[in-house]
Order: sequence, then C-alpha cells, then structure tokens
Amino acid sequence: GAVVSQHPSWVICKSGTSVKIECRSLDFQATTMFWYRQFPKQSLMLMATSNEGSKATYEQGVEKDKFLINHASLTLSTLTVTSAHPEDSSFYICSATDRTYGYTFGSGTRLTVV
Amino acid sequence: GQQVMQIPQYQHVQEGEDFTTYCNSSTTLSNIQWYKQRPGGHPVFLIQLVKSGEVKKQKRLTFQFGEAKKNSSLHITATQTTDVGTYFCAGPTFGGTSYGKLTFGQGTILTVHP
Repeated sequence: GAVVSQHPSWVICKSGTSVKIECRSLDFQATTMFWYRQFPKQSLMLMATSNEGSKATYEQGVEKDKFLINHASLTLSTLTVTSAHPEDSSFYICSATDRTYGYTFGSGTRLTVV
Repeated sequence: GQQVMQIPQYQHVQEGEDFTTYCNSSTTLSNIQWYKQRPGGHPVFLIQLVKSGEVKKQKRLTFQFGEAKKNSSLHITATQTTDVGTYFCAGPTFGGTSYGKLTFGQGTILTVHP
C-alpha cells in the first residue's frame, strides 16, 4: 500500500523561530498534497492544497506568508511555519493523493512553540 | 461552502455494546470516506462509499451511504477496547484539481469501558 512519510514527528521550538515539516510519498507520485492542522479533540482543518510545480492554494483565514508551502517534486512537499508563536502549536498532518491509492495521510507532526 | 456535520461528538460504551456515528453533508457528495484516528495517531483510511444507498461491511463495522448521497453512518457491532479512537467521515470538494480537498466531519470520540 501507499506510504507517506512525515518528518519530524514532533518538534519543540522557541517563539519567533521557523520550523520546516517534510511530507514524502515513498512509493508513489502524489498528484496533490494537502496540509491539515488539528487542535486537541478537534477535527482536521485543511490549511492548503499544493500541486507539484505550482503555488499552493490556501484556505480562507490561513496566512500564506506564515505557512509557506513548497511542492518541489511529485514526492515531496514541505510546510514551513515562519516566526512561530505559541498559538501555532498544533498537530500538522499532510495527505498525498494519487489515482491508485486515493488519500494517504502522513503520521503527523506535533509542534510545540515555547 | 460545503459543511459536513457529524454526531455524536462523544460516545462512551461498555465493551460489547453497539456504536453508531452519523454524518450529514450540506451538499451531495460524489463519495464519502471514513477514517479512524487512534489517540496520538494520524487518520487511517477505513472505507470509501460511492454509490447511492451503498452498504459495506468490514467484520464488525457496517458503513452506509444514503440514497441522496448526503448522509452516511458507521455502525460497530459488539465494540471492543481496540475500537477506541475518533471516527471521522469526510467528503471531497472538487475545485478543478484531480483530487478534491476533503472536508472532515467533527469526528466522534469513542471510548470503550472494559
């Protein structure tokens, strides 16, 4: 089956610093990658949709300058949380799609900003 | 925009009891997907329903898709402690990309008392 690798699994950073999260599809080429954020005991909220080689499409209310998404290849997308603040602490999850496997989720990154 | 409502938010059952979660979309869906997220984990795909009135079974789990393709349910017979987790339904919204972005329901948190 399809595997999506997401790193790091957890990260603690100081307020004001930037954090990069990687999402890789290991055995398939992802047509599209999605980035979600999930607060404790809440649902997954879509942040942005990215296609390889093009700019990401951000959901309403998501700051594109704060959450930088780069989709350099069909197997790699990155999310950079810039100038992180405590309110950015959350569980970030990526999802990669292709025609064979549908939607496959990464294992998530738990970000804590102190 | 599309909204996906899911009830109940929480369900506590005794081991061996049945459990049902319901999902309702504000718009007709091309398909509906169900995911399970264990505590501390990431969403894991359970099933996709495509046809109107479709019913699918996976061991003790029964999934239904409504005739109007706007609602769905997941029923677990004789719950076990391994069923603990949050169950999400999700429906895609297509905006010109090959794969639509998924809108998730709020999720139902299931706890099972042994």
